[in-house]
Amino acid sequence: DSGVTQTPKHLITATGQRVTLRCSPRSGDLSVYWYQQSLDQGLQFLIQYYNGEERAKGNILERFSAQQFPDLHSELNLSSLELGDSALYFCASSVGVYPHYTFGSGTRLTVV
Amino acid sequence: EDKVVQSPLSLVVHEGDTVTLNCSYEVTNFRSLLWYKQEKKAPTFLFMLTSSGIEKKSGRLSSILDKKELFSILNITATQTGDSAIYLCAVQTDSNYQLIWGAGTKLIIKP
Repeated sequence: DSGVTQTPKHLITATGQRVTLRCSPRSGDLSVYWYQQSLDQGLQFLIQYYNGEERAKGNILERFSAQQFPDLHSELNLSSLELGDSALYFCASSVGVYPHYTFGSGTRLTVV
Repeated sequence: EDKVVQSPLSLVVHEGDTVTLNCSYEVTNFRSLLWYKQEKKAPTFLFMLTSSGIEKKSGRLSSILDKKELFSILNITATQTGDSAIYLCAVQTDSNYQLIWGAGTKLIIKP
């Protein structure tokens, strides 16, 4: 167990739907990062939060949004889902901007 | 545009062999290079390198960075089937502290 908890582990949903992925960072970590990993594109950075504030944005679609709550857990919201959104979504955490991330085990999203 | 390129994309060897995985990068304001191992799910951290020429070692795994030639190698000696995984390289820059990831090398160790 890495200490980063992601739920759910698997999610199957239909096109056009909306889902929420949840991440609890490792105790003491203030930064949360969201990544998407699909077969043909490798790890793609989506967004980072630090202590509740958005710190950096990567290749995140407008249909996607995220937030980090006061207790430091984070949620990634994916809406108007398309088949191409099927992927593994990872959350990672770190103490600050230190790059030694700890990854969660991921949520596998399948859009049918 | 910043980029990280790993080679080979896949590699199949037999148990006991030694393998060398490559990671080259073109980034502005290099800060550090990291290696991760991804088995079934989450990538797990292996090494972080910031200085050129200093080898990091952990058991049968070792890695070295060449900041002049802009690359790093990850060596695995006496490979075991448990070394089968995707090995990911990532570079952090001073610009925004984000990691730029390579596509990974898929390593398969045959018994």
